Amino acid sequence: EVQLVESGGGLVQPGGSLRLSCAASGFILSDHYVDWVRQAPGKGLEWVGRSRNKANSYTTKYAASVKGRFSILRDDSKNSLYLQMNSLKTEDTAVYFCTRDPGDWYFDLWGRGTLVTVSS
Amino acid sequence: DIQVTQSPSSLSASVGDRVTITCRASQSIANSLNWYQQKLGKAPNLLIYAASSLQSGVPSRFRGSASGTNFTLTISSLLPEDFATYYCQESYSMSNTFGQGTKLEIK
Repeated sequence: EVQLVESGGGLVQPGGSLRLSCAASGFILSDHYVDWVRQAPGKGLEWVGRSRNKANSYTTKYAASVKGRFSILRDDSKNSLYLQMNSLKTEDTAVYFCTRDPGDWYFDLWGRGTLVTVSS
Repeated sequence: DIQVTQSPSSLSASVGDRVTITCRASQSIANSLNWYQQKLGKAPNLLIYAASSLQSGVPSRFRGSASGTNFTLTISSLLPEDFATYYCQESYSMSNTFGQGTKLEIK
């Protein structure tokens, strides 16, 4: 089955760090662009960042709200991708979705999401 | 930054109704507008990409159209499973801005 599965969410204090994982099955993740999209509780959707595919050297882009604090990393051996989140703020509290991007900035496959709560 | 204004924010309709949801971009975005459906507690699901292209596996009662900076999602005849929240997303700028969402409820 073609799917993405996120993990690693949880409760973290402001200023702390967390690493989310996104594992792919049914397809080779390195062939694809991958984006993270988040949704604060009861709110709308916000694009967080993107990793291009291996053919494009895994270059990354980030939303202004997370630039310099978040980074996207890959592990081809595990067919996985990670969102490293540092210097977390309360406003980063959200469900984080891993998505597949055909390269035209839309998202045709989504994981179920993982909840990150930033609170003291 | 490109602003995307989605309307209405909520909508009540009955099974069998035809409904229309609109997104207006603050500037030209060509056909770079996508539509998603999200059911409660679930991930969004892509319906339409590039303004009017139907994603594989999505029923043909969903249709997207564009006129200038105005984009429309039309559901031709509502089924019970269509009651959900719908989001548009502009894919023209680096911000990838989503609309505020339209909650479609049963009348």
